[in-house]
Amino acid sequence: QKEVEQNSGPLSVPEGAIASLNCTYSDRGSQSFFWYRQYSGKSPELIMFIYSNGDKEDGRFTAQLNKASQYVSLLIRDSQPSDSATYLCAVNPQKLVFGTGTRLLVSP
Amino acid sequence: EPEVTQTPSHQVTQMGQEVILRCVPISNHLYFYWYRQILGQKVEFLVSFYNNEISEKSEIFDDQFSVERPDGSNFTLKIRSTKLEDSAMYFCASRSTNEKLFFGSGTQLSVL
Repeated sequence: QKEVEQNSGPLSVPEGAIASLNCTYSDRGSQSFFWYRQYSGKSPELIMFIYSNGDKEDGRFTAQLNKASQYVSLLIRDSQPSDSATYLCAVNPQKLVFGTGTRLLVSP
Repeated sequence: EPEVTQTPSHQVTQMGQEVILRCVPISNHLYFYWYRQILGQKVEFLVSFYNNEISEKSEIFDDQFSVERPDGSNFTLKIRSTKLEDSAMYFCASRSTNEKLFFGSGTQLSVL
């Protein structure tokens, strides 16, 4: 079983819509969860982190965590073409384990 | 804003040669990492380093690889006798005592 699983996409949404990105993880002991954005040919950039069950909002981004279901998601409101990138879910800060990423395409 | 810097941005080498990838982590950070990303694949953990020693390493990080922090600022990854399959983007990352990991811009290694 993969440690962190994501749908590779692409997920296509129109500009202004809500993009919903999902991630599941296998290690029930995981305590910290991160979303990184990676543009093609660039390094991962941290956009959100969440430690507790529930929602965490930061601007247009909302991270949601459900430890019982081992599920973490990222919502992007009012999606913009500049949000088009690959979004990487990662768990465990001591040895950050990444999913394969979901490619998001926002069309104007 | 402080950032992790990596040099060189691109490195081309012949198979069997040794390469050293260099990183300058953020100055007050204590934990250092190397990751790699083969084209089209996921970001893979190689090694973590804390208090001048390796704290964890992956199966990828075999005897061909070594890391060093030769002074108070640099953190290096050495790859001995490079192979074609070592071609990848190598990312250095660092963090302080909080859990947010910051990445450098990467070194694209091409082994010919």
